[in-house]
Amino acid sequence: GAGVSQSPSNKVTEKGKDVELRCDPISGHTALYWYRQSLGQGLEFLIYFQGNSAPDKSGLPSDRFSAERTGGSVSTLTIQRTQQEDSAVYLCASSSSSGSYSGNTIYFGEGSWLTVV
Amino acid sequence: GESVGLHLPTLSVQEGDNSIINCAYSNSASDYFIWYKQESGKGPQFIIDIRSNMDKRQGQRVTVLLNKTVKHLSLQIAATQPGDSAVYFCAESRNFGTGTSLTVIP
Repeated sequence: GAGVSQSPSNKVTEKGKDVELRCDPISGHTALYWYRQSLGQGLEFLIYFQGNSAPDKSGLPSDRFSAERTGGSVSTLTIQRTQQEDSAVYLCASSSSSGSYSGNTIYFGEGSWLTVV
Repeated sequence: GESVGLHLPTLSVQEGDNSIINCAYSNSASDYFIWYKQESGKGPQFIIDIRSNMDKRQGQRVTVLLNKTVKHLSLQIAATQPGDSAVYFCAESRNFGTGTSLTVIP
């Protein structure tokens, strides 16, 4: 597609359940990012994938959070045993990382709104 | 660690006035900065960027100023309009500042 696509757009889940959030980056973009944004807050970096390199997982808040990127394209963010504090918007983004300065511009999806009840 | 942060979390301006949003960064080696605008319910979108070899860059109604001496950049919006109401983030690579919520008062 033309932009970063995320699904589901909204998810309500019960505490303790696992959830999977999907991201389809812009075609040809080698870099993919996941951020979390709580209501009225800034962007919290979670994880970064670049090509075939090992992902930067330094932002994952706990071992309940994991992400994978298959075939260098689609990514899935998994949250196990969800807690109420996991409620937030999960934003996926991608960039071309072409080596030029403009390759650093990050393009965001509309986000997946997660509510844990 | 390195950080990118904003001085003011909220800003209210009258329609038609100019807006200035500030951002401080700590990594003196940073060489590229981007401003993003996030409207309610949407993901952040690119507004304007600046490289460290520049101190000013202008777009349509927006200007970004970079002061490398004090590691500070600002986003100026001329003749602010209701559609400018949003949260604005400065970013260096994948590191985003806290964000400033701009409200335009009609």
